[in-house]
Parts: sequence; structure tokens; C-alpha cells
Amino acid sequence: DARVTQTPRHKVTEMGQEVTMRCQPILGHNTVFWYRQTMMQGLELLAYFRNRAPLDDSGMPKDRFSAEMPDATLATLKIQPSEPRDSAVYFCASGPAGVPDTQYFGPGTRLTVL
Amino acid sequence: GQSLEQPSEVTAVEGAIVQINCTYQTSGFYGLSWYQQHDGGAPTFLSYNGLDGLEETGRFSSFLSRSDSYGYLLLQELQMKDSASYFCAVGALYILTGGGNKLTFGTGTQLKVEL
Repeated sequence: DARVTQTPRHKVTEMGQEVTMRCQPILGHNTVFWYRQTMMQGLELLAYFRNRAPLDDSGMPKDRFSAEMPDATLATLKIQPSEPRDSAVYFCASGPAGVPDTQYFGPGTRLTVL
Repeated sequence: GQSLEQPSEVTAVEGAIVQINCTYQTSGFYGLSWYQQHDGGAPTFLSYNGLDGLEETGRFSSFLSRSDSYGYLLLQELQMKDSASYFCAVGALYILTGGGNKLTFGTGTQLKVEL
């Protein structure tokens, strides 16, 4: 049963610290997405990769957030420095080529910045 | 940009039928998807409509009318486990060279199924 995995599942940190979230997409999927979910803003797209190339990171605060795919099995989302307003659930999702609009979400990383 | 509207909350009884509507405004529209999310869980894909009409998957059906910029999710024979949030999502081609689709999610409809 192929699944998207994310680590860590929970992270509590203090303001100013660096946070790194990792995602392993489903093997064979060529699209990877990072979303942030909060009660106020709902699900927001932060970054989008296709075949490991970043295609859209317009939803991401550039000054503190960065997203990379060092290889096809790993996507990372970093926040440096973190702020309390970054507290949210961060989801990674992957999608297969040629299947429109079907994304498979990981379990999420619940981030709390104190 | 894209915008979607769906009701914030719907309540229904077990065994009933419920319809969750979604209207959208978008450019480069590609299709309408529906996702389910239980409390504390991750969104899971339910259905996709790329063309007008009805798509049926078991107890769930989804409908799209491109001319009306409107779609709905129909849940039949409601069960307690269907209590969750349901999101419509609009896919839009935003890279013409085959870069794939970008999904914009609605704010979600919380469905409560009661006995």
C-alpha cells in the first residue's frame, strides 16, 4: 500500500529556530506539493515540484521558507527563522503523471512555534 | 485568480442523502475535484470531474457544469463515518508546456451525520 510519508509528525519549537520537514512521495509519482493548513486560511499551496523541478512557490514566504527536492525520494520544506504565525499543519502530497488533479496526501507535520 | 464557494456546514441523518455544492471562479479551468478530510487526518481524494456530467463512485457521486461554474458532491446512504470536512478543488492549467495542474481548495464543508 503506497503512501506519502512525512517526518516529523509533530514539532514544537521556539521562535527563531530552524525547522526542517521531510517528505517521501509515492514511488513513481512525478509531482510533489507542499501545503499549509490553518483554521483561518484553509489549505494553501506553498510549493509545487514536477520531475524534481520547482514550478511554483508563489505561495511561500520567500524570506524564511525554502523548498527543495534533492532527489526523487525526498522533498524538504525549511523555515528559518520560524515564527509563531508559522504554526500550522504542513502537508506534502504527490501525484502521478497523466492523472489530473489526483493528489495523495501525507499524514502532515503539526508545527507549533512558541 | 481562483475563488471557490461552498457551505461551511451541513447536517444530515444517517441513511439520508446530502448534496454539497461548490461554485467557482477561475481562469484556465481544468477540472473539479473533491477531497475528504476527517478531523486530525489528511485530505483524501474522492472524485474528479473533467467533463460536464455525473461521475459515480459507490455511494458518492460528483457533478460538474462548466457553463454554470458549478459542481456538487452527492453522498448517499449516509453513515456516521462520513462525518468529515469535504473540500472542492479547482484545477487550473497554469503552465502551458505540460507542467501539470495547480489545485486551489475551497474552505471546506463540515458534514455532521447524526443518528
